[in-house]
Amino acid sequence: SQELEQSPQSLIVQEGKNLTINCTSSKTLYGLYWYKQKYGEGLIFLMMLQKGGEEKSHEKITAKLDEKKQQSSLHITASQPSHAGIYLCGADFRSGNTDKLIFGTGTRLQVFP
Amino acid sequence: DGGITQSPKYLFRKEGQNVTLSCEQNLNHDAMYWYRQDPGQGLRLIYYSQIVNDFQKGDIAEGYSVSREKKESFPLTVTSAQKNPTAFYLCASRRDGGSSSYNSPLHFGNGTRLTVT
Repeated sequence: SQELEQSPQSLIVQEGKNLTINCTSSKTLYGLYWYKQKYGEGLIFLMMLQKGGEEKSHEKITAKLDEKKQQSSLHITASQPSHAGIYLCGADFRSGNTDKLIFGTGTRLQVFP
Repeated sequence: DGGITQSPKYLFRKEGQNVTLSCEQNLNHDAMYWYRQDPGQGLRLIYYSQIVNDFQKGDIAEGYSVSREKKESFPLTVTSAQKNPTAFYLCASRRDGGSSSYNSPLHFGNGTRLTVT
């Protein structure tokens, strides 16, 4: 079962356009992380959200966690070719006394000139 | 510089052979994780360890084994029992795997691409 659903699976936008990626869970998210990956490489940490209603921004990327802490969105303003890659959301899920970090299926973003 | 090192970057093996992927970190992190990535399937958790000499199965542990004898090392063995071993494997660590881990993002290595023929 997929505990984190990400949409869309892929996105192709023209440079300069805005875009949004969504991450949804049926469970309350206690820690929500956004990562970016270039093909064949490791993941680069973007942002972490913990509180309902929290919003963080870095350069042209803004991430939000809804009040119920079950949905997060990643918004890119005025996209550039450097934004291309795979974006993944991850969240902590408690399993007994341990925490495991589970990821969504990822969104592949392409930005063309 | 502190970080996570995975080696080798590319690995080729014949079917039926066991193979061990290396993961070393010098971040003094307690928790370490192994993920597998296949096209269109995001990252799936294989095994994780929150402390030395202890580890837990993730969602797809069958056909894999791990050890955590030292804090900085968490090697993954892909056994011949793993039916589809060809994939991109990612190792990660974070400061604490306990309840306080909600505040701690994962740091990732650059991955090992394993091809089994």
